[in-house]
Amino acid sequence: DTEVTQTPKHLVMGMTNKKSLKCEQHMGHRAMYWYKQKAKKPPELMFVYSYEKLSINESVPSRFSPECPNSSLLNLHLHALQPEDSALYLCASSQVGQGVGGYTFGSGTRLTVV
Amino acid sequence: KNEVEQSPQNLTAQEGEFITINCSYSVGISALHWLQQHPGGGIVSLFMLSSGKKKHGRLIATINIQEKHSSLHITASHPRDSAVYICAALLNRDDKIIFGKGTRLHILP
Repeated sequence: DTEVTQTPKHLVMGMTNKKSLKCEQHMGHRAMYWYKQKAKKPPELMFVYSYEKLSINESVPSRFSPECPNSSLLNLHLHALQPEDSALYLCASSQVGQGVGGYTFGSGTRLTVV
Repeated sequence: KNEVEQSPQNLTAQEGEFITINCSYSVGISALHWLQQHPGGGIVSLFMLSSGKKKHGRLIATINIQEKHSSLHITASHPRDSAVYICAALLNRDDKIIFGKGTRLHILP
């Protein structure tokens, strides 16, 4: 298995909803990432987990809450989002360490906040 | 000045043309990725390079570490190659990557 699987592919949620995005990989990668991508912009890093511990949080608002329950799974819990949070949310994984094994990206979850 | 610069930003070409997309970077890197993103879609990793040249089908990627420059070439371009191509530098100081702004390629039939 050489894929990063993200679910759901599309999500529409209201500003008072609570939802979660899921990311799964079975490549033995011990670093996992959440990125946010607005239209026609490059991805922006949100969080990095190394060995299931949060190692980087790029000053993301607390309405985004990441969770890494095991080495294969990464969640992003969403609560009280704003319309400007509508974007493509990408998950990626890699071996820990600089560039070892390269990055594998998921196909993303397209989130619309109404 | 961005740490990873791509050119051109937009490129329209006829089917069959040879395409070159360039990427220059100013940071210390351990490797460089070329990524492809179709409209509304996720990101696919095409190549990861730390030196030299790699080839996969009609795609060729090269990197010159001394000049801090990489190129992505597409031979015999096809309309299905139409996508955004992103250069991403893997920093050698932490687990971060810096993305270029992307090159929007449109191949006309």
